[in-house]
Amino acid sequence: NAGVTQTPKFRILKIGQSMTLQCTQDMNHNYMYWYRQDPGMGLKLIYYSVGAGITDKGEVPNGYNVSRSTTEDFPLRLELAAPSQTSVYFCASTGGGPDTQYFGPGTRLTVL
Amino acid sequence: KQEVTQIPAALSVPEGENLVLNCSFTDSAIYNLQWFRQDPGKGLTSLLLIQSSQREQTSGRLNASLDKSSGRSTLYIAASQPGDSATYLCAPGGGADGLTFGKGTHLIIQP
Repeated sequence: NAGVTQTPKFRILKIGQSMTLQCTQDMNHNYMYWYRQDPGMGLKLIYYSVGAGITDKGEVPNGYNVSRSTTEDFPLRLELAAPSQTSVYFCASTGGGPDTQYFGPGTRLTVL
Repeated sequence: KQEVTQIPAALSVPEGENLVLNCSFTDSAIYNLQWFRQDPGKGLTSLLLIQSSQREQTSGRLNASLDKSSGRSTLYIAASQPGDSATYLCAPGGGADGLTFGKGTHLIIQP
């Protein structure tokens, strides 16, 4: 199993550009999450999904959108990128809420 | 809203010492608590998962305890090694809406 994979690893955007961060898991997990981590801070939840077709907002959803058309994929869309979205983005999945969360390697995004 | 505090924020000790990392959280209505390790520029590696009905979990030189009613967890590292140097993150939660993270304890083990 590859676990949770994320692409790209690094990206630099200009203000106002858009992009999609990809996340795929091969563990047949129903629950998937997007977190962001700013320097020296803990991770904050952006969006989560409890299954295909179901998504919900986390603590910091503004400026982002998600979709979940399959169990495996949970892409995160940034529209009109802003410098405040410079961060490291982590995708995670779990088979059930109380189970271990497994994290991807992260995408380091810089918005200039 | 869940708030998570980790103490100390940073710790530097010589190799071989036994360590205690502390985590406190404000909302005791959790399903579980996970401890993670994060190496610089890397993702998170799960170390231990304690369910809300459990008091502690052990894995090798690591032992984590949970006192849900008082909102506290500790991670005990025995006989520390330079390879243990990393940031350790505490994350209570386990509901469908994910985990809440502390800022972490940055640990350096001196050879």
